[in-house]
Amino acid sequence: DGGITQSPKYLFRKEGQNVTLSCEQNLNHDAMYWYRQDPGQGLRLIYYSQIVNDFQKGDIAEGYSVSREKKESFPLTVTSAQKNPTAFYLCASSIVWTSGSSDTQYFGPGTRLTVL
Amino acid sequence: LAKTTQPISMDSYEGQEVNITCSHNNIATNDYITWYQQFPSQGPRFIIQGYKTKVTNEVASLFIPADRKSSTLSLPRVSLSDTAVYYCLVGEPDNAGNMLTFGGGTRLMVKP
Repeated sequence: DGGITQSPKYLFRKEGQNVTLSCEQNLNHDAMYWYRQDPGQGLRLIYYSQIVNDFQKGDIAEGYSVSREKKESFPLTVTSAQKNPTAFYLCASSIVWTSGSSDTQYFGPGTRLTVL
Repeated sequence: LAKTTQPISMDSYEGQEVNITCSHNNIATNDYITWYQQFPSQGPRFIIQGYKTKVTNEVASLFIPADRKSSTLSLPRVSLSDTAVYYCLVGEPDNAGNMLTFGGGTRLMVKP
């Protein structure tokens, strides 16, 4: 059963702590993405990765970090430097990254992070 | 830098046709236009994708004029379950190369 998974679905953390969100896909997609969504707002790109061991900053990368050591995994770390981390985080993947083209992205179910 | 823009919200009634337009003045030559549907607390779901003219699938149609600076998602005979947020996604060129940019989303409310 192919797809893209994110865990956990809900995550709580204390202010000042780093936290890592998991994203795994078994679709054999080259490209992976992380988005942030605030209540009633659209999606904003945090980081994206075109290929293993490579990633690029999106529009709102400050306070976040990623790694892409394996094709199927693209974890996102929300660091203590992120001033307002409470949000809904969405991971997506697509077959390839073709510069500028809107290759169909498949989204995971999301992780809702709440900072207490 | 031109932005991708959509109406914030739309209301409709069951059985009506709904048309949602996205403006993307700065679309790149090789970009496709993709529309997604999102329900609360879920990831967006692919609806339809096109490059020019008209594309139709089992759930929607996509109309793209010759200049490609806008696109219109058409949902025929909507039902209550079509109440959701609809996003258009296009590539938008910037100084660092092309980037993918979601519109702000259109919240569609279907009433009985």
